[in-house]
Amino acid sequence: DVKVTQSSRYLVKRTGEKVFLECVQDMDHENMFWYRQDPGLGLRLIYFSYDVKMKEKGDIPEGYSVSREKKERFSLILESASTNQTSMYLCASSSSAGGHNEQFFGPGTRLTVL
Amino acid sequence: GENVEQHPSTLSVQEGDSAVIKCTYSDSASNYFPWYKQELGKRPQLIIDIRSNVGEKKDQRIAVTLNKTAKHFSLHITETQPEDSAVYFCAASIGSNYQLIWGAGTKLIIKP
Repeated sequence: DVKVTQSSRYLVKRTGEKVFLECVQDMDHENMFWYRQDPGLGLRLIYFSYDVKMKEKGDIPEGYSVSREKKERFSLILESASTNQTSMYLCASSSSAGGHNEQFFGPGTRLTVL
Repeated sequence: GENVEQHPSTLSVQEGDSAVIKCTYSDSASNYFPWYKQELGKRPQLIIDIRSNVGEKKDQRIAVTLNKTAKHFSLHITETQPEDSAVYFCAASIGSNYQLIWGAGTKLIIKP
């Protein structure tokens, strides 16, 4: 059974703080994703990684960076948090075997920036 | 850029009736179309997917149809039950790098 975990369910930070969100998967998946979910906007891709140390920008990368030093771990960094980054953040992972496959999601981190 | 449009944004149906959610996509190279269900406070989970080499796929009460010429695909839920109440998202693959582009979601309400 695939398990994707995220470091926090709820997080409250102040404007200008550096914020780290961590995601860990236990199924040896090659692909990992960071999304933010806002009402009426669906899931928007922030960054994507298809291998260790590899990353690609998604639709809304501004204000974010990522790190993938180990295959199982994908971190999202908000260099200087702003109030418009208040959102639900979802991590997901998928296998590359045979093409597109199911994305397995973590429970999400609800971030509030004050 | 590429996009996926999903309609309706809210759908209310009587328990036992059918529900249909429709999506259109813009990237003619898209070849994978999953549907995810997100219950309140839970993570999205895959319920069914379809690849471009088939036109329809069924799994018990749910089915997905794909029209590649018109670039649209639909989710059909028959004999709806209270546990079908959730937000449903469609998505389409873009490029060759395992990314998906997502619809905005449909809130399905099942009335008793």
